Amino acid sequence: GQNIDQPTEMTATEGAIVQINCTYQTSGFNGLFWYQQHAGEAPTFLSYNVLDGLEEKGRFSSFLSRSKGYSYLLLKELQMKDSASYLCAVRSPLSYSGYALNFGKGTSLLVTP
Amino acid sequence: DSGVTQTPKHLITATGQRVTLRCSPRSGDLSVYWYQQSLDQGLQFLIQYYNGEERAKGNILERFSAQQFPDLHSELNLSSLELGDSALYFCASSVEWNTEAFFGQGTRLTVV
Repeated sequence: GQNIDQPTEMTATEGAIVQINCTYQTSGFNGLFWYQQHAGEAPTFLSYNVLDGLEEKGRFSSFLSRSKGYSYLLLKELQMKDSASYLCAVRSPLSYSGYALNFGKGTSLLVTP
Repeated sequence: DSGVTQTPKHLITATGQRVTLRCSPRSGDLSVYWYQQSLDQGLQFLIQYYNGEERAKGNILERFSAQQFPDLHSELNLSSLELGDSALYFCASSVEWNTEAFFGQGTRLTVV
């Protein structure tokens, strides 16, 4: 089965740093993704980790520990436009050549002035 | 703009009806995924196609079916619609199975 957990809501201040955690238990692992989704809009790709460690991409960084089933997304220098839902997703094999990208329920981040 | 196109953007229909949602993937992408997102649920994986073949199935109801055509566009068919089928339906595409997926803007389905 698949179980992907993230906090439901977080609040942070403009200019600050926030860390959004994700823990997962999945049958098979083939990579972890973070997406950003504004209300009513399409999810947009932020980052991808398949090996342990930190991936940095501008103001966003993502970390993965496969042995702990744990990832986090770090957002620096927060801006008001970063208020959105952040989705953690794990890719798992479902068949000999098919893969599902299973999503957590998302963390709703509110950035305040 | 992700390059993934979904039509229609909005759809209102009655219970018991059948609808077809259409997705055109990004140019060159061979893999298409369908997802359902309702208010109280996250994105639920429905089905994946790769180069015309079904490759993986998630929690897709028997009333739902999909296909990917030779030109790589995909359609999701929803039949015997129920109120609980009201949701945002997203299509996503990727070049290969091991690359990131890009999402379309979604079709908002309302069943009344």
